[in-house]
Amino acid sequence: AQTVTQSQPEMSVQEAETVTLSCTYDTSESNYYLFWYKQPPSRQMILVIRQEAYKQQNATENRFSVNFQKAAKSFSLKISDSQLGDTAMYFCAFYDRGGSEKLVFGKGMKLTVNP
Amino acid sequence: SQTIHQWPATLVQPVGSPLSLECTVEGTSNPNLYWYRQAAGRGLQLLFYSVGIGQISSEVPQNLSASRPQDRQFILSSKKLLLSDSGFYLCAWTPKGWNEQFFGPGTRLTVL
Repeated sequence: AQTVTQSQPEMSVQEAETVTLSCTYDTSESNYYLFWYKQPPSRQMILVIRQEAYKQQNATENRFSVNFQKAAKSFSLKISDSQLGDTAMYFCAFYDRGGSEKLVFGKGMKLTVNP
Repeated sequence: SQTIHQWPATLVQPVGSPLSLECTVEGTSNPNLYWYRQAAGRGLQLLFYSVGIGQISSEVPQNLSASRPQDRQFILSSKKLLLSDSGFYLCAWTPKGWNEQFFGPGTRLTVL
């Protein structure tokens, strides 16, 4: 079974700085998707960024980018120019294209951006 | 555009009482539907998912059940709530053949 591990339960960063959130996963599949979701204090889950495993190019969405290392099964999220509104829980998730129609989530990590 | 609704937003129930949480999706057909529970400060636990009307897969054996009486309606139920059922319940949907899940606003359940 696939597993997703977020080893850092909590991090803090100063406003305008850059922070990297780590995620590792375990799978024997080769065709899958990886996601980072954000859950602000409102608790609404929001997709931050998506990476397709067959694409070598790292996904980027404005200030958010990923470092996808397929061989190492690592999928880290970099947030540049951190803003107060980035304060949230962040969840890494895995989707197997050829398997069950479910997302496997990591346990999440709490990011606090300080002024 | 598609929209997902959950109600109620907040619920306080005594131990032993029944539960019914409802989730509906608008603007799509034949979605996959999911129920998650999130304990305070914790990750998401998948409870049930459904790929079609009347088709329910259970991930965690407990005193909760789910039903899908209509294509875009997903209901989470319990006959007798336990204290451990307290938490934040999220419904999500995804189009067939797609991977990203879209989440509802959630229901905060407190069992006293």
